[in-house]
Amino acid sequence: GAGVSQTPSNKVTEKGKYVELRCDPISGHTALYWYRQSLGQGPEFLIYFQGTGAADDSGLPNDRFFAVRPEGSVSTLKIQRTERGDSAVYLCASSPGLTTDTQYFGPGTRLTVL
Amino acid sequence: AQTVTQSQPEMSVQEAETVTLSCTYDTSESDYYLFWYKQPPSRQMILVIRQEAYKQQNATENRFSVNFQKAAKSFSLKISDSQLGDAAMYFCAYQVLTGGGNKLTFGTGTQLKVEL
Repeated sequence: GAGVSQTPSNKVTEKGKYVELRCDPISGHTALYWYRQSLGQGPEFLIYFQGTGAADDSGLPNDRFFAVRPEGSVSTLKIQRTERGDSAVYLCASSPGLTTDTQYFGPGTRLTVL
Repeated sequence: AQTVTQSQPEMSVQEAETVTLSCTYDTSESDYYLFWYKQPPSRQMILVIRQEAYKQQNATENRFSVNFQKAAKSFSLKISDSQLGDAAMYFCAYQVLTGGGNKLTFGTGTQLKVEL
């Protein structure tokens, strides 16, 4: 079956603009995660959904970042008033739902804020 | 807070040889998982191997095996018979199983180069 997909693959925007990044998880996976990977670093956790609800949003850096998953499948990460420091690869992962399940990652969206 | 440390930014290995990548972690938890993920230039993180902390036996997956030393909080990855396709960034990751929200905590990665 299809893996986790993310769109767009690359996004270039100007400082101060609003962006949306989309994640399509593996079909049937109830858990969905967003991570941010800055250049030369490992991914850092942002938010975790179980179904439609955010079970853990402790990694969101500030209130400019917001994520939704209204129907328990596709998720959108929204960034308001983008800053140059937001430039990174944003990775999405999904898992069947149990704590012990392996997370499967998508190819990420590279966001560049000019 | 849990931390994961990979002290080798880069490693090189000759094709068909064996290489070991190091990882240490810091935690006060007793119930957790450890992972090695591979990230090629395509950016997609691919699971290489997983170790449950309660298991004493080291995990193996074909040419990949780990040396898990729980008391020392060490989790190294051994790649045997290295192949050109093994060249990638390798990340060690930790996941606490109770109250941790399922999130993975990653190290900074080790870039593995495979030479002919």
